[in-house]
Amino acid sequence: NAGVTQTPKFQVLKTGQSMTLQCAQDMNHNSMYWYRQDPGMGLRLIYYSASEGTTDKGEVPNGYNVSRLNKREFSLRLESAAPSQTSVYFCASSATGETGGYTFGSGTRLTVV
Amino acid sequence: AQKITQTQPGMFVQEKEAVTLDCTYDTSDQSYGLFWYKQPSSGEMIFLIYQGSYDEQNATEGRYSLNFQKARKSANLVISASQLGDSAMYFCAMRDLYNQGGKLIFGQGTELSVKP
Repeated sequence: NAGVTQTPKFQVLKTGQSMTLQCAQDMNHNSMYWYRQDPGMGLRLIYYSASEGTTDKGEVPNGYNVSRLNKREFSLRLESAAPSQTSVYFCASSATGETGGYTFGSGTRLTVV
Repeated sequence: AQKITQTQPGMFVQEKEAVTLDCTYDTSDQSYGLFWYKQPSSGEMIFLIYQGSYDEQNATEGRYSLNFQKARKSANLVISASQLGDSAMYFCAMRDLYNQGGKLIFGQGTELSVKP
């Protein structure tokens, strides 16, 4: 099925460990995004990539890095995980000027202990 | 800077009744889009409805309609004939339509509970 695929779905990390969240889309979309969702705060943008080869910071980029590997793939890396990064992470993609909204992945539930 | 405000953390509605979820926004963009998403307890984000800033008519999608009042900067979601399956979190969001990147900015969400 066409869409956005995120891996893993669940992850538990110890403080200080690193990990990479993977995201791939097969809709030939130009733009890709990483959000985090915390209770009572909606979804907040971490980083985005308007097109292949570009990345930009969103609202809450501290503690994260991203890589737009190619048009399909956009990964999010936590270099040294902290308990404050416990959250649900969503990847999304869209075409430029898309009026139908984003297509979201199913989310990654990350717990940092 | 763009901002979305949803002032209702939680709402209750009786099954088969209509409910309005409030959303106000702030932007200096001339061309923007307003979106509503539903997030059931399973966690996925489901796109419901879209309204463009230049659309003169309110958007409708089945039981969902968007009450767009541009001068008041509001974009309320109306769900008619509520069903038990409508119980979920609802997010209002907006984006600049024509700039590359087109970041989608979300409100805090409203949790809707439909009572039988």
